[in-house]
Amino acid sequence: DAKTTQPNSMESNEEEPVHLPCNHSTISGTDYIHWYRQLPSQGPEYVIHGLTSNVNNRMASLAIAEDRKSSTLILHRATLRDAAVYYCILRDFDSNYQLIWGAGTKLIIKP
Amino acid sequence: GAGVSQSPSNKVTEKGKDVELRCDPISGHTALYWYRQRLGQGLEFLIYFQGNSAPDKSGLPSDRFSAERTGESVSTLTIQRTQQEDSAVYLCASSYRDRAAYEQYFGPGTRLTVT
Repeated sequence: DAKTTQPNSMESNEEEPVHLPCNHSTISGTDYIHWYRQLPSQGPEYVIHGLTSNVNNRMASLAIAEDRKSSTLILHRATLRDAAVYYCILRDFDSNYQLIWGAGTKLIIKP
Repeated sequence: GAGVSQSPSNKVTEKGKDVELRCDPISGHTALYWYRQRLGQGLEFLIYFQGNSAPDKSGLPSDRFSAERTGESVSTLTIQRTQQEDSAVYLCASSYRDRAAYEQYFGPGTRLTVT
């Protein structure tokens, strides 16, 4: 699986949008971009994933650059509950097992 | 519907004892994964099951670790002769299929403390 690079931490104010960046310059054409988050003392939680087109779901939006070398997870209106470590992970289309986890971005939400 | 469940939620054991951790995946999910997360660190892959295929054990850290899964249902992770370095949260995840397009759903984990 290709490597991703994320900032160690970010801060945002409550009820404001948050843009979490991820660089994956070595992405291949068949790599899916997955985002998970882990709240304190909980198991990881799936957020969103995509291949080429931007994606929206009830939790977030995923904006994928045209060259696919970077992506941005967008939380439209952050709440205190969104404080977590966010992981950006690439998974090859033919990869059939484990997610390879990096250090992620610790998101701090200020009330 | 019901998510992935794990038991026990917490386990304290003495060094040298054996422990068994249980995972109940989401019904209908054919893929099941075990990960380990040490305090303040990321997830480490341990083992993976897909349907009735032979499991991928490439992440198991030593022969003291083993896991079984019956068909597409419950899985147990066994650690024999536990050591203090085995202390961690053990996480189980399941997925509809084992392909990159499918997300993994995680259980709450079992926190293992070896004294």
